[in-house]
Amino acid sequence: KAGVTQTPRYLIKTRGQQVTLSCSPISGHRSVSWYQQTPGQGLQFLFEYFSETQRNKGNFPGRFSGRQFSNSRSEMNVSTLELGDSALYLCASSRDLTSADGELFFGEGSRLTVL
Amino acid sequence: GEDVEQSLFLSVREGDSSVINCTYTDSSSTYLYWYKQEPGAGLQLLTYIFSNMDMKQDQRLTVLLNKKDKHLSLRIADTQTGDSAIYFCAESIDGQGGKLIFGQGTELSVKP
Repeated sequence: KAGVTQTPRYLIKTRGQQVTLSCSPISGHRSVSWYQQTPGQGLQFLFEYFSETQRNKGNFPGRFSGRQFSNSRSEMNVSTLELGDSALYLCASSRDLTSADGELFFGEGSRLTVL
Repeated sequence: GEDVEQSLFLSVREGDSSVINCTYTDSSSTYLYWYKQEPGAGLQLLTYIFSNMDMKQDQRLTVLLNKKDKHLSLRIADTQTGDSAIYFCAESIDGQGGKLIFGQGTELSVKP
């Protein structure tokens, strides 16, 4: 079956712009989580959506937001981009880690460069 | 608090076994994961273990979990040059859904 699909794979923006990233989870998965990966901070949790509701949120400013649609696809948005937002943004999908199924799969990521 | 620690580098010879270690602090973890990341790629799920287990084997991979010491290890048997990558340990916390806490990653270098 198809894996987690993230678009776009690469993008370049300038400071002050905004960006929207998309994630399509594995069919049947209802949980989508987002992570930011940078060389300095490593992998950090942004937020998780389950059944169209934000279930958990990391320690990022309000410029970072997300949503989930009824088909479980998710988008994240970063407004007023800063140089420090340059990172690999990873999306992960799972059925629900609160159940007995612990499988959590990642996409290939969207690499954002802010100039 | 939530913290996951890994050593940063490991170098082995092709054909040897590799053991990558990880320690975590939160005792309410439910699942513990090992992911592999190759340059320019996303995270590939290698294996995971439920917190009430102490061992899991999957082909060349063996995961050992010591809950008392909060220590997790990944053993790769017969390590190949294609195993060269960064390996991340991560834990999920009971009740926090899809939020994983990651270690810094261990860069495994396999020399022929």
